[in-house]
Amino acid sequence: QKEVEQNSGPLSVPEGAIASLNCTYSDRGSQSFFWYRQYSGKSPELIMFIYSNGDKEDGRFTAQLNKASQYVSLLIRDSQPSDSATYLCAVNPSTGNQFYFGTGTSLTVIP
Amino acid sequence: EAQVTQNPRYLITVTGKKLTVTCSQNMNHEYMSWYRQDPGLGLRQIYYSMNVEVTDKGDVPEGYKVSRKEKRNFPLILESPSPNQTSLYFCASSYGPESYGYTFGSGTRLTVV
Repeated sequence: QKEVEQNSGPLSVPEGAIASLNCTYSDRGSQSFFWYRQYSGKSPELIMFIYSNGDKEDGRFTAQLNKASQYVSLLIRDSQPSDSATYLCAVNPSTGNQFYFGTGTSLTVIP
Repeated sequence: EAQVTQNPRYLITVTGKKLTVTCSQNMNHEYMSWYRQDPGLGLRQIYYSMNVEVTDKGDVPEGYKVSRKEKRNFPLILESPSPNQTSLYFCASSYGPESYGYTFGSGTRLTVV
């Protein structure tokens, strides 16, 4: 079983819509969760992190964490064509110093 | 400018010819890490370092070596590259990834023929 799983997509949404990206993780004791954005040919860029159950909002982005369900999501409101990228979920597990990434979900925002 | 610098950006080499990919960060980060990214497999950790002279294996360390003699530098060494090491490599650094996540370098695209 992979440590972090994401639907690879592609996910397509019209401009102005809400994009919803999902991630599940296997280590129930995981403490911190991160969302990265990666444009084609570029390096991953950190956009959100969340540690506690519930929602965390930053501008158009909202991260949601449900530790009981081992589920973390990213909502992008008022999606823009510039949001078209691959979104990577990352998890810091309960033991060790490793940092696991999902394979990413490709998002396309259609003008 | 705070950054992680990798060199080279692109490298084509032949099987068995030793190579080093350099990585340097100017943010005084304790943690540094190397990842490789392959289609369908995502980012996989090769090695990481918690501080000078402290390194540990990630998920895919076979065929790679690292050293951390200075806080700012964390080179990745391929002693005898093979075609299955053809990949996109990223160096990353952090004050503490569990709290801050990683900041990534621009990547090195390696092709081994």
